[in-house]
Order: sequence, then C-alpha cells, then structure tokens
Amino acid sequence: EAGVTQFPSHSVIEKGQTVTLRCDPISGHDNLYWYRRVMGKEIKFLLHFVKESKQDESGMPNNRFLAERTGGTYSTLKVQPAELEDSGVYFCASSQEEWGRETQYFGPGTRLLVL
Amino acid sequence: LAKTTQPISMDSYEGQEVNITCSHNNIATNDYITWYQQFPSQGPRFIIQGYKTKVTNEVASLFIPADRKSSTLSLPRVSLSDTAVYYCLVGDRGGANNLFFGTGTRLTVIP
Repeated sequence: EAGVTQFPSHSVIEKGQTVTLRCDPISGHDNLYWYRRVMGKEIKFLLHFVKESKQDESGMPNNRFLAERTGGTYSTLKVQPAELEDSGVYFCASSQEEWGRETQYFGPGTRLLVL
Repeated sequence: LAKTTQPISMDSYEGQEVNITCSHNNIATNDYITWYQQFPSQGPRFIIQGYKTKVTNEVASLFIPADRKSSTLSLPRVSLSDTAVYYCLVGDRGGANNLFFGTGTRLTVIP
C-alpha cells in the first residue's frame, strides 16, 4: 500500500511568488492534515480535512494560505504571496479515523525556501 | 491544551536499552499518549500509542503510571538506525488541533 506522498519534495521561490503544495493521502483515508515546521520551531498543526470539508483550520497562519481538497482525495496548499517567514517544511498526514483513535501517517514533507 | 516536556537530547551506545520520559502534567481524561519517530528528511512515523499502564509492540514499549502525568518510551537494544528525533504527543479524539509536537528528544546512538 502506498503511503502519503507529497509534491514537490523541494521548492525554492522568491518572496511574493505563489507556490502550491500537493498531498496525496493513503487511499481510503478520509482525514487529511497539514502541518509545518518553520526554521528552528516545532511542528505545528495547520488544518484538518474530513473528506472535502475543513474540519479545523485554526492553525492556518493568515489568509495568504489556502488549502483545498476537492473531491475528498488529494489536497493542495497554496501560499500566495509567499513571504520569507513561510520557509520551512510542510508535512501532510492522513488517517482513516480522527486522531486519538488512530495514528496519523505522515508524508515526507515539502521543503519550501522563500528567498 | 496538554503540552509535553521531554529531554532535548540523549546519547546511547548500541545494544543498550533507551528510556525516554515525557511529562504531560495537564493531560486530560480523554487524551491518549502517542510517540512518533522522525528521521532526517522524513515525516514523523508512528511508534506506539497508549492510554494507561503498559503497551508493547514489536518496536517499543510504553509505560504509563496511574496518574498519567508522564510516560516512558522504552527502546530495547538500540542500533545506529534508531538515531532520530522522538516526539511525545498527547491528544484527544476531538481533532488534530490538540496535536502538539513539542521539541522532541534527539536520540543519538553511538557505535
């Protein structure tokens, strides 16, 4: 069974540009989560989808970040316009049931560098 | 929000048993305790989860005292490939907004 995949693995962009990160969860997993770790900080929760609906987006830092999960399969996280402080590693995770009842499976992350 | 406190780093020789203790004084009744392992350039990987007493799987054991204010991850006979960051998390079934990774413990296994 394929794990959670993320694309691209790395992205280097200039401040003010737009970047779109993609996450493909494990097939059949209704729950999809985005996290990020900015330089020197801990991994922080961004948001949680249940199928195509946003269950919790309390961790989204500001309105420059837009997450979608059309059709309840893969998800995209768009940063527009990117700022220097957005640099970090963005992780996606998925689970069949909500966390606490089942573990989350993480992807390898997308390393974003904003210059 | 139940936060956790772990040692920043630990060193161990190959073949030894490693115990990493995590404090979670504000753990709530519905919270589970979960440990993740993260290698460089990879996402966190689930190791073990428990609610109380002791849980054991093929990778590790998790010891949780009766008051549940701390937990200990035990890795038997570590090898060089166990060098990683280990995160202790607590959270309930209400959603990922309670998933707090903290700084983790960087375990270095020495030959």
